[in-house]
Amino acid sequence: KAGVTQTPRYLIKTRGQQVTLSCSPISGHRSVSWYQQTPGQGLQFLFEYFSETQRNKGNFPGRFSGRQFSNSRSEMNVSTLELGDSALYLCASKKGDNNEQFFGPGTRLTVL
Amino acid sequence: KQEVTQIPAALSVPEGENLVLNCSFTDSAIYNLQWFRQDPGKGLTSLLLIQSSQREQTSGRLNASLDKSSGRSTLYIAASQPGDSATYLCAVVGNQGGKLIFGQGTELSVKP
Repeated sequence: KAGVTQTPRYLIKTRGQQVTLSCSPISGHRSVSWYQQTPGQGLQFLFEYFSETQRNKGNFPGRFSGRQFSNSRSEMNVSTLELGDSALYLCASKKGDNNEQFFGPGTRLTVL
Repeated sequence: KQEVTQIPAALSVPEGENLVLNCSFTDSAIYNLQWFRQDPGKGLTSLLLIQSSQREQTSGRLNASLDKSSGRSTLYIAASQPGDSATYLCAVVGNQGGKLIFGQGTELSVKP
């Protein structure tokens, strides 16, 4: 069974640009969550989608947005990039509530 | 607000030692607790999931315990090997939706 996949694996952008990251969950998993990992703040929750609906949202500015498609694939978008957005962005999927969460390899975003 | 703490932040042991990693959380109203390992620059690998009704879970050389009332979990690694070197993270799912709240991790180094 294929794991969680994320594309692209690496991205370099400049301040003010926008970026879209993609996540394909494990087959049969309907919940997709996004996390940001930085050396200073550790792992922080961005948002969770379940059956195309945002179910939960972390404390990030509105520049961070996401969506989920009918096949459970998810995208997150960051507009007007700032230097502080440089991070490893991780996607996780699970079958349902209280189930084990599985993470993808992440997308390393560098903002110059 | 749920907070998760992991002590120590770093640990170095000789190969073959048994060791214990600690995780504490401030709000005992959790649905489950999950342990992960992360290799440098990589995503998270799920090790063990403990539901709130369980006391422990075992997988190979790993054993995780959960004491909800005291807000503590431990990850026991038996007969450590150099390949166990990684950062170990614990995370809880509480009553704030399905998001994982992470500790800062314990960086483990197992010396040959």
